[in-house]
Amino acid sequence: GIQVEQSPPDLILQEGANSTLRCNFSDSVNNLQWFHQNPWGQLINLFYIPSGTKQNGRLSATTVATERYSLLYISSSQTTDSGVYFCTIYGQNFVFGPGTRLSVLP
Amino acid sequence: EAGVVQSPRYKIIEKKQPVAFWCNPISGHNTLYWYRQNLGQGPELLIRYENEEAVDDSQLPKDRFSAERLKGVDSTLKIQPAELGDSAVYLCASSFTEYGYTFGSGTRLTVV
Repeated sequence: GIQVEQSPPDLILQEGANSTLRCNFSDSVNNLQWFHQNPWGQLINLFYIPSGTKQNGRLSATTVATERYSLLYISSSQTTDSGVYFCTIYGQNFVFGPGTRLSVLP
Repeated sequence: EAGVVQSPRYKIIEKKQPVAFWCNPISGHNTLYWYRQNLGQGPELLIRYENEEAVDDSQLPKDRFSAERLKGVDSTLKIQPAELGDSAVYLCASSFTEYGYTFGSGTRLTVV
């Protein structure tokens, strides 16, 4: 089945810093989404982005489907950005990546 | 709009006992998913419904797990009998087709 990789696995930032999270996938996909799982376990849908670029406030995402990767940009990070960021794809089935654990320090 | 509602939020049971989880999806969402998330890992799809039909249950351990979606709305996931390794968070999500799905808060199961 399709494989999903995310990097880096862990990231520690000082508040105000910028970061880029990456998601690589092994086959063509119909659907790619980015989720944030907060420290209380709730999964929040950030972007539905099978291709192209989207922005929402301090967050933006770009998916280059032909090269099989997606990037999530976080600018001016805040402590509330802490948690785990997952990309999830839908090809033949739904697969979550292993996640990037982000810690933003005050 | 109301989100995806799951109950209970927490459940502690002894091994070999049965347990059931309930999910009420967002109104109008015809696709419903059950995921299991083990500690420190990403969610793993157990079963996906399109309306009342289970269209992907390849990861559901059918010897002890069962699921149903009545009238294409609410869904229940059952484990009988539970094993220690079933301790995890069970997440329900719903979507209108596969575009942009929303998760519930999950049920944290502890089997002792």
